Amino acid sequence: NAGVTQTPKFQVLKTGQSMTLQCAQDMNHEYMSWYRQDPGMGLRLIHYSVGAGITDQGEVPNGYNVSRSTTEDFPLRLLSAAPSQTSVYFCASSYGGRRLSFGELFFGEGSRLTVL
Amino acid sequence: GQQLNQSPQSMFIQEGEDVSMNCTSSSIFNTWLWYKQEPGEGPVLLIALYKAGELTSNGRLTAQFGITRKDSFLNISASIPSDVGIYFCAGLNYGGSQGNLIFGKGTKLSVKP
Repeated sequence: NAGVTQTPKFQVLKTGQSMTLQCAQDMNHEYMSWYRQDPGMGLRLIHYSVGAGITDQGEVPNGYNVSRSTTEDFPLRLLSAAPSQTSVYFCASSYGGRRLSFGELFFGEGSRLTVL
Repeated sequence: GQQLNQSPQSMFIQEGEDVSMNCTSSSIFNTWLWYKQEPGEGPVLLIALYKAGELTSNGRLTAQFGITRKDSFLNISASIPSDVGIYFCAGLNYGGSQGNLIFGKGTKLSVKP
C-alpha cells in the first residue's frame, strides 16, 4: 500500500501565485485533513473532510481552499500565495467517525513550500 | 479554545537513559494519542489510549491515560539514537471529528551516542 501520497515534495512560489498541493490515499479512509507545521507552533489544522463532498474549516483556513470530489483525493489550493504561507504541509487520513480509531491519523511525508 | 501543554519542549539525553514527557490540558479528553516525527518525515502514530488510567506499551515506549482525563504521559526506556525526533501528544473527544483533534506543540528529543 502507498498509504498517503503528497505531491509535490518541494515548491517555491512567488507572492501572489496560486498552486495546488495534491493528496491521495488508498486506504478507503473517510476522514482527510491538511495541517501546516511551523517551528514552535506544532501542527495546526487548515481544513478537513469527513467524506466525499463534505469539507470544513480548521484552526487556520484563511488563504486556502479545499474540495473532496472523491474518497481518495483531497487537494489543497493556495489562492494567492503570501510569505506567511511558507511552511511544511501535511495531509493526513483516518477511518470514519463511527470507529473508535478515527483519531489515529496516517500522515503523508509532507510538502515543503517557500513563498518569496 | 482547547489547548494542550506539552513538556518539556526539548530534551538532550545520553544513550541508555530513560525519558519522560507529558501533556496536560484544562479540558477532559476521551482519547489520547502519541505520535513521533523523524526529521524530514510525517508524524507516525506510536500509541493510542482510550480509557482513563490505561497503561499501554509499545516496545520500549509506555504511555498512560491520566485518571483525571486531563493528562497523559509517555516514557521511553533505555533510549537509543533512533529515538531522535519530535514527539507529539494529541487529545480527542468522542463524537467529534478531526476538527476536534488537538495537538501539543511537541517535545524534541536528541540522543547523544
